[in-house]
Amino acid sequence: GAVVSQHPSRVICKSGTSVKIECRSLDFQATTMFWYRQFPKQSLMLMATSNEGSKATYEQGVEKDKFLINHASLTLSTLTVTSAHPEDSSFYICSAREGGRNTEAFFGQGTRLTVV
Amino acid sequence: SQQGEEDPQALSIQEGENATMNCSYKTSINNLQWYRQNSGRGLVHLILIRSNEREKHSGRLRVTLDTSKKSSSLLITASRAADTASYFCATEYSGGGADGLTFGKGTHLIIQP
Repeated sequence: GAVVSQHPSRVICKSGTSVKIECRSLDFQATTMFWYRQFPKQSLMLMATSNEGSKATYEQGVEKDKFLINHASLTLSTLTVTSAHPEDSSFYICSAREGGRNTEAFFGQGTRLTVV
Repeated sequence: SQQGEEDPQALSIQEGENATMNCSYKTSINNLQWYRQNSGRGLVHLILIRSNEREKHSGRLRVTLDTSKKSSSLLITASRAADTASYFCATEYSGGGADGLTFGKGTHLIIQP
């Protein structure tokens, strides 16, 4: 399947600082990328849908000013957690589709964010 | 969005046995996808089955889809220790506007050597 690379895999930051997570599609162009969040032993929750060249669409309850998403090219989307707090500690995973709807979505390796 | 439900939540079987996991969902869908997640890792895509399909195979995996019951099953035959992981189903809503996948709660599968 297609390869999606996410970086970093782990990050520890201090409260109040910002953290940027990158998601790249390595061998295909992804018009649409998605950002999910996963708490321990729980399922994935969609945070936002990122379309190249346009503003991201956020799910209800997700603060767009806190979780900044940029999809500057067809192979790169970034998620910036601004003014991080301990409750933002979580596992963040991106995914990308090679085609439009009704095609496979491939996931990155995830980023474990710990805010201290 | 509403989440699907997988059952069982946890399953422990002996190596070599078959493992069956079920998934139910609530909306009309374009497709249903199954993923595997090893502890603390990303998701590995296993199979996508579209709403007009009833069964798909991939190696030791068999997936069925019953849209009238809004349910799917994943069968892993001749299980191996390396199959130990969490398995999630995810659905793509067929309505306009909403995009992304809605995940079930997952089944944690343990294969005893």
